[in-house]
Order: sequence, then structure tokens, then C-alpha cells
Amino acid sequence: GESVGLHLPTLSVQEGDNSIINCAYSNSASDYFIWYKQESGKGPQFIIDIRSNMDKRQGQRVTVLLNKTVKHLSLQIAATQPGDSAVYFCAEFNQGGKLIFGQGTELSVKP
Amino acid sequence: NAGVTQTPKFQVLKTGQSMTLQCAQDMNHNSMYWYRQDPGMGLRLIYYSASEGTTDKGEVPNGYNVSRLNKREFSLRLESAAPSQTSVYFCASRLPRTGGVGRETQYFGPGTRLLVL
Repeated sequence: GESVGLHLPTLSVQEGDNSIINCAYSNSASDYFIWYKQESGKGPQFIIDIRSNMDKRQGQRVTVLLNKTVKHLSLQIAATQPGDSAVYFCAEFNQGGKLIFGQGTELSVKP
Repeated sequence: NAGVTQTPKFQVLKTGQSMTLQCAQDMNHNSMYWYRQDPGMGLRLIYYSASEGTTDKGEVPNGYNVSRLNKREFSLRLESAAPSQTSVYFCASRLPRTGGVGRETQYFGPGTRLLVL
């Protein structure tokens, strides 16, 4: 069955450094992926998405990379700030119109 | 726009009690979803409604029922609460569009924290 998982449950970075959060997926037919940010006590918030016909997409301070060969995607956050501290989820959009979420990586930013 | 709103924010139930979680969206979205989130886990889909008048089971539907009251509102009911249903419940909505990146984005409410004793 489909599954989406993250490599690390926690990540600690120094303020100003770049952060890289990884995600693996199992369904090679998946064609759309989303990264969500969830702050404590709040619902998930859309960050950036990517379709399978792309291998890279950039937003404001964030970049998502997709490697279809090894079924892996990553979220890169440039110049990480204290406000970036949150749990980050990757999610796969399946053919049935449903989102399949990974377990999440908690990002902590040290001042 | 308020986006997706959920009530209540917190609830404590005793085993066997029933309750309904309310969700409403003012974005004119067609599809609505109910998820649960347990510690250390991602969100799991309970039920969804692709459009007004339709509902379908998700990954973990047992112990729950839903009602798509109208296009704006989608409620989740626990008929006989169990401790295993202690969780944070999120409602989400989306407006499917054709073509373009970002067409499937779901917008989430702030969540309802439920404790079943």
C-alpha cells in the first residue's frame, strides 16, 4: 500500500543555517506532493508543492527537490529562523483524491 | 474569510458518551475532510466528502459517522466514545481545480482536542 515516511523525527539547526528535511514515498505512481508546516496547537499549513514532471521547485526561502528514481523528496529551508520551528509533513496526493501524510519531522531552531 | 473553523476547541468525554464535532468553511470549497492526529504520527483520514451530498470512508472510519449538512458544513460524530479515540481532530477543505501546481491544496482548521476518559 501507499506510505509516506520521513527519515528523521527531529532536526535541530542553528539560526541562519540551512535546513534539509527528507521524505521517502513508496508509490511510484504518485504524481503530486505537498509539504506542510504545523506549528504547536495549530492545523497544518501549506508550504510548497511539486508535481512529478518537475524535479525542483522554489518558493520564498524554501525549495523542494524530487528524485523519482529513488522515490525521495526533500524540503530545504534557507537561512532558518526561529519562526521556522515546527513539525514538517510531506504528503502524497493519491489517485483517489486523498492525501497520505508522513509521520513528520520536528524542526528546532537554536538562537 | 474565516477559512476553516472547528468547534469545540477542547472536549473531555467519558467512555460511552456521544458528541459531534462541527466544521465549517467559507471558501466555497467542494471537498471536505476529517483527519485525526495522534502523538508522533501524521494525519490519518477518517472520512471525506468529495462534494455536497456524498461521503466516503477514509483510512480509519470505525467508530465515526459523518454528515455533509450543506456545502459549508461537515460534521463528525462519535456515537459511543472510546479512549482509543483520544486524539486531535482536524477538518480540511479543498477546491479541486484543473491543471497547474497547487490545485489540490487542502486548507486545515485549527483542530479539536478530544480526551476520552
